[in-house]
Amino acid sequence: EAGVAQSPRYKIIEKRQSVAFWCNPISGHATLYWYQQILGQGPKLLIQFQNNGVVDDSQLPKDRFSAERLKGVDSTLKIQPAKLEDSAVYLCASSLERTPGYTFGSGTRLTVV
Amino acid sequence: AQTVTQSQPEMSVQEAETVTLSCTYDTSENNYYLFWYKQPPSRQMILVIRQEAYKQQNATENRFSVNFQKAAKSFSLKISDSQLGDTAMYFCAFQLAGTALIFGKGTTLSVSS
Repeated sequence: EAGVAQSPRYKIIEKRQSVAFWCNPISGHATLYWYQQILGQGPKLLIQFQNNGVVDDSQLPKDRFSAERLKGVDSTLKIQPAKLEDSAVYLCASSLERTPGYTFGSGTRLTVV
Repeated sequence: AQTVTQSQPEMSVQEAETVTLSCTYDTSENNYYLFWYKQPPSRQMILVIRQEAYKQQNATENRFSVNFQKAAKSFSLKISDSQLGDTAMYFCAFQLAGTALIFGKGTTLSVSS
């Protein structure tokens, strides 16, 4: 089966600019996750979707971050405006509903200068 | 709230030797899942091994095995016959059914010849 697809692979932007990341999960996977991984740290959950509904967005900085999963398939994560501390790898993952563990994409490395 | 602690920021081992990575966690729940993920420089998070808390038998996957001590809330990973390709960052993770993975801060493993 095809894996979790993410794009772009790399992105460099200036602070205060906006950026968007895209994720296409494995076909049939109802649950989709976005994680932020700062260099040298473990991934931190930003948002969890079940189909097109939000299950958990408690750690999403909603003043600047937004995410959507229209039609319950692919998803977009946006940052506007970006700050220097947003420099990180953004990982997308998907899983079957209520199935432990999930499959990750290759991530997008964001650098804010 | 659940937490995952990896107390070894860095470990090194010679090829063909055995190394053990430590992980402890904190939860008041009885049914959960534990994972070890590997993240090489390519950033792709790869599932190494999974353990269901209700199973007393330790999980094994080829050269990888775990020592699951439920009462002590400990979940260590043993890598036998280490190979150069095992060089990566290793993350311990915890999951309750239907919720997102919670990761530790990771251990960087270097395998040298």
